[in-house]
Amino acid sequence: DVKVTQSSRYLVKRTGEKVFLECVQDMDHENMFWYRQDPGLGLRLIYFSYDVKMKEKGDIPEGYSVSREKKERFSLILESASTNQTSMYLCASSLERHTAFFGQGTRLTVV
Amino acid sequence: KQEVTQIPAALSVPEGENLVLNCSFTDSAIYNLQWFRQDPGKGLTSLLLIQSSQREQTSGRLNASLDKSSGRSTLYIAASQPGDSATYLCAVRSSKLTFGKGITLSVRP
Repeated sequence: DVKVTQSSRYLVKRTGEKVFLECVQDMDHENMFWYRQDPGLGLRLIYFSYDVKMKEKGDIPEGYSVSREKKERFSLILESASTNQTSMYLCASSLERHTAFFGQGTRLTVV
Repeated sequence: KQEVTQIPAALSVPEGENLVLNCSFTDSAIYNLQWFRQDPGKGLTSLLLIQSSQREQTSGRLNASLDKSSGRSTLYIAASQPGDSATYLCAVRSSKLTFGKGITLSVRP
């Protein structure tokens, strides 16, 4: 079975902190995605990556950056966390044009 | 910009009912469409994927159809059960994977 693992289920950080959310997949997928999910707004794409060292902005990239140094790992970075970044963060991976598989999600609270 | 719509936002049905969940999208230039299930506080579980060249896919009590030219997909759930209660999301794949906001289904015993 495909496994997409996010490093934390719950995270509490302070305003202004630099935050790293890690996502690892074990199926050699080229594509990886980061979303945030908020009530009433659904899933919104932050960044995605087609391959190692490649990244593309999604619909809401402001305040975020990403890193993909190895194929299996896609990191989301909050450069200076703010309270409006409190959300559920979801990572996904897929082969090109195939089924996307999601991690269990990280619920981030910024206080 | 691709937009994906799922209406209604919530649905409550009695156990045993057959039901249809709808999904519409604005740009028909897609590679595929995928239906997911999400339980509260959890990640998404893939249910069915339909490639753009296909018309439907079936898995157990679930059947998903795709009409790419009209920008519509339906997820049919046969003989619904309380365990089917969850949020169902559809997503279309082009260069990105774009989601609808989901339909929260409640199946009453």
